[in-house]
Amino acid sequence: QVQLVESGGGVVQPGRSLRLSCVGSGFSFSNYAMHWVRQAPGKGLEWLSVISNDGNNQYYADSVKGRSTISRDNSKNTLYLQMNSLRPEDTADYYCARGARWSPNRLEYWGQGTPVTVSS
Amino acid sequence: DIQMTQSPSSLSASVGDRVTITCQASRDTSNFLNWYQKKPGKAPKLLIYDATNLETGVPSRFSGSGSGTHFTFTISSLQPEDIATYYCQQYENLLTFGGGTKVEVK
Repeated sequence: QVQLVESGGGVVQPGRSLRLSCVGSGFSFSNYAMHWVRQAPGKGLEWLSVISNDGNNQYYADSVKGRSTISRDNSKNTLYLQMNSLRPEDTADYYCARGARWSPNRLEYWGQGTPVTVSS
Repeated sequence: DIQMTQSPSSLSASVGDRVTITCQASRDTSNFLNWYQKKPGKAPKLLIYDATNLETGVPSRFSGSGSGTHFTFTISSLQPEDIATYYCQQYENLLTFGGGTKVEVK
């Protein structure tokens, strides 16, 4: 069955960097677009970024554009989100999600999330 | 950017009630609209895609309608396990989620 497992979250000081990972299994990872979505405490879902199946195209929400980089290693079935210049408002649970094969922006499967706390 | 406005932000209903949530887009999104269910501590779950299509395995009491800028999500008979927050999401231009509707049982 499809599984997505995020890791890399934790407590980090403002201004520092963090790299999140998401390992996919149970499907052909290289055939699917992948997304990052977050949920701050007490807030709603916020889409952050998408990367095409081959890694050649990436798009970002304004809230993270210029501070974050999405990437993937299809040989390792792994998605990444590099986040720089972290701010307290980046505190959230971060989820990776898989797009549908022929509709990449339909988020069919989600991981359980990894928490990130930005605090001094 | 396309803004998605959901209403109400929360509601309380009895088991068996019909529950309706609306989602208004700031501009035409055709039918590029999905609905998700989010329970605390759980991953979000896709319920409805392309405004009206029920995701495989999702109970038929869930349904969606609408196109353009106005969309509706309905639970025909609320069940205790439906207690969650529901989100619309457009993908006509990148992706944007609505603010969410928290559904509680009276």
